[in-house]
Amino acid sequence: GAVVSQHPSWVICKSGTSVKIECRSLDFQATTMFWYRQFPKQSLMLMATSNEGSKATYEQGVEKDKFLINHASLTLSTLTVTSAHPEDSSFYICSARSGGRGNQPQHFGDGTRLSIL
Amino acid sequence: DAKTTQPTSMDCAEGRAANLPCNHSTISGNEYVYWYRQIHSQGPQYIIHGLKNNETNEMASLIITEDRKSSTLILPHATLRDTAVYYCIVRVHRSQGGSEKLVFGKGTKLTVNP
Repeated sequence: GAVVSQHPSWVICKSGTSVKIECRSLDFQATTMFWYRQFPKQSLMLMATSNEGSKATYEQGVEKDKFLINHASLTLSTLTVTSAHPEDSSFYICSARSGGRGNQPQHFGDGTRLSIL
Repeated sequence: DAKTTQPTSMDCAEGRAANLPCNHSTISGNEYVYWYRQIHSQGPQYIIHGLKNNETNEMASLIITEDRKSSTLILPHATLRDTAVYYCIVRVHRSQGGSEKLVFGKGTKLTVNP
């Protein structure tokens, strides 16, 4: 159980285009979803937290107009990187957590490797 | 910043138990300890978590000291596929917004050798 699917696995696109990444919880309802970014040889850094039906909370230094997050249902959240540039190239990973007890773990997707040319 | 301290790297022989330590001396009474691992180019995989009692599941055992200032993740019979970076995380609760945050440190690079 607790499977999180992320799509696409990798994407290569030209500078200036927008890229949408989907994160789905397949076998549970995710009241909260998280988006992380990981640069090579570094650890994961939280970008934003989203609760279903409400606006995302962004971490300090993350541009909300650059990284648009939508969490319209209990099983789907999307991250759109708008007007992507080479410096946005990174490994983007989502996670999802069900409600209930506050100690429920986050379950992660397999990540999306984004390369901007 | 991460509130845990882990060794940078460890080696283990295949078939032997791997014991990964973690120090979390500033842990609060209601904070849980979570363990994840990340195999290269994949998302982190949840392993186990605990508050104060020892925990065991199909993947591993978690031993938490009585004062809760440290813990040990035990992989009873390590295989080559257990080679990964292992993260020990204390989940930080934030008063504003009521959400929580997982802070990933550098973790322990475990290499299981044949």
